[in-house]
Amino acid sequence: DAGITQSPRHKVTETGTPVTLRCHQTENHRYMYWYRQDPGHGLRLIHYSYGVKDTDKGEVSDGYSVSRSKTEDFLLTLESATSSQTSVYFCAISETQKLDSYNEQFFGPGTRLTVL
Amino acid sequence: AQKITQTQPGMFVQEKEAVTLDCTYDTSDQSYGLFWYKQPSSGEMIFLIYQGSYDEQNATEGRYSLNFQKARKSANLVISASQLGDSAMYFCAMRGPRGSYIPTFGRGTSLIVHP
Repeated sequence: DAGITQSPRHKVTETGTPVTLRCHQTENHRYMYWYRQDPGHGLRLIHYSYGVKDTDKGEVSDGYSVSRSKTEDFLLTLESATSSQTSVYFCAISETQKLDSYNEQFFGPGTRLTVL
Repeated sequence: AQKITQTQPGMFVQEKEAVTLDCTYDTSDQSYGLFWYKQPSSGEMIFLIYQGSYDEQNATEGRYSLNFQKARKSANLVISASQLGDSAMYFCAMRGPRGSYIPTFGRGTSLIVHP
């Protein structure tokens, strides 16, 4: 199994508070991603990173920011949490696209966030 | 732009029977890859199988096989001899186009295996 951990695994917070979720990998993979999963929407990409300090927005990035100061860590911050950000958040990693590699994503265990 | 469509929100199958989960895709790339992931009720996402667009053979991994029909742009997952542990959400995904590392996911199909 790919070494990906997420912390915390569960969090309950109040509207308006900042929240930071952490993704940590031990695989030295270059690409890291944050998704949210909601019923009926599947996985939606929030932000991704293609290297240290290199990040870009996904399709649902409003209200979220990310940082990657080390290869192994990718942080997702909800600047001022809202109830609409109640969701399950998944981190994923993948390696550089290589012709002889599938480049599949490996996922973390997820973080269940509830914003009251 | 790439697109993945899974038209079956829910599927039911009897234990030991085979089941096919549909996935159609759209892309303008000639070279692409298709994935299937499983998400059991415990929540983790598990990579199951991969099919490359230039692969001549349909991919197989144990009881999982991919019915890849390039002309129809379909990549259906076939699970043979269903087991109760196959009950899960299944997601079809496409590797990002060359130069992009962002895969495209379908909305998923919920499979329930009845004893």
